[in-house]
Amino acid sequence: DTGVSQDPRHKITKRGQNVTFRCDPISEHNRLYWYRQTLGQGPEFLTYFQNEAQLEKSRLLSDRFSAERPKGSFSTLEIQRTEQGDSAMYLCASSLGTGWNEQFFGPGTRLTVL
Amino acid sequence: EDQVTQSPEALRLQEGESSSLNCSYTVSGLRGLFWYRQDPGKGPEFLFTLYSAGEEKEKERLKATLTKKESFLHITAPKPEDSATYLCAVQSYNNAGNMLTFGGGTRLMVKP
Repeated sequence: DTGVSQDPRHKITKRGQNVTFRCDPISEHNRLYWYRQTLGQGPEFLTYFQNEAQLEKSRLLSDRFSAERPKGSFSTLEIQRTEQGDSAMYLCASSLGTGWNEQFFGPGTRLTVL
Repeated sequence: EDQVTQSPEALRLQEGESSSLNCSYTVSGLRGLFWYRQDPGKGPEFLFTLYSAGEEKEKERLKATLTKKESFLHITAPKPEDSATYLCAVQSYNNAGNMLTFGGGTRLMVKP
């Protein structure tokens, strides 16, 4: 399978705990995005990487959220001190950075904060 | 700020009953308009990209069209397997990171 992969697919945690998600993009794609989707809504942009550089962050990305993409390959999204409002589907997407190309999404990580 | 509104929120069709989904957008300089399909519990699956008014794209029973203010996704003779949420998204020249701004989606249910 050469698509975008995400791990874990599901995560249940208690309020106040830290969680980390991983995304592996399509191998030749140098752009990587994180989105968040709540039930019944469309995805909302969180942050964007071109290679290893984090170039844009949404105001939705509070200081409890941090994302990295070491060496421009896989990416991690960490949420510290989780809150119930963080419960959502976290989606990763990648695209080929030679223009304004379509983004291909992974299966998502469903986070439930109890 | 870019805005995307999709209607209806939900649509129930009988198998074979053709219909259209609407995506209205407000954007300062459209780079592209994208349609995705999303099945429950899964990530969005790319369908089409439209770049300029008058452009049309087709794939099996789906046809997407674009004007300066809206896009339509026409579904011809739908089958139960077309049941899904259809998402519309825009990219604008305002966003250097080419982020997508999504609408809320249309949940389509096709009954046999």
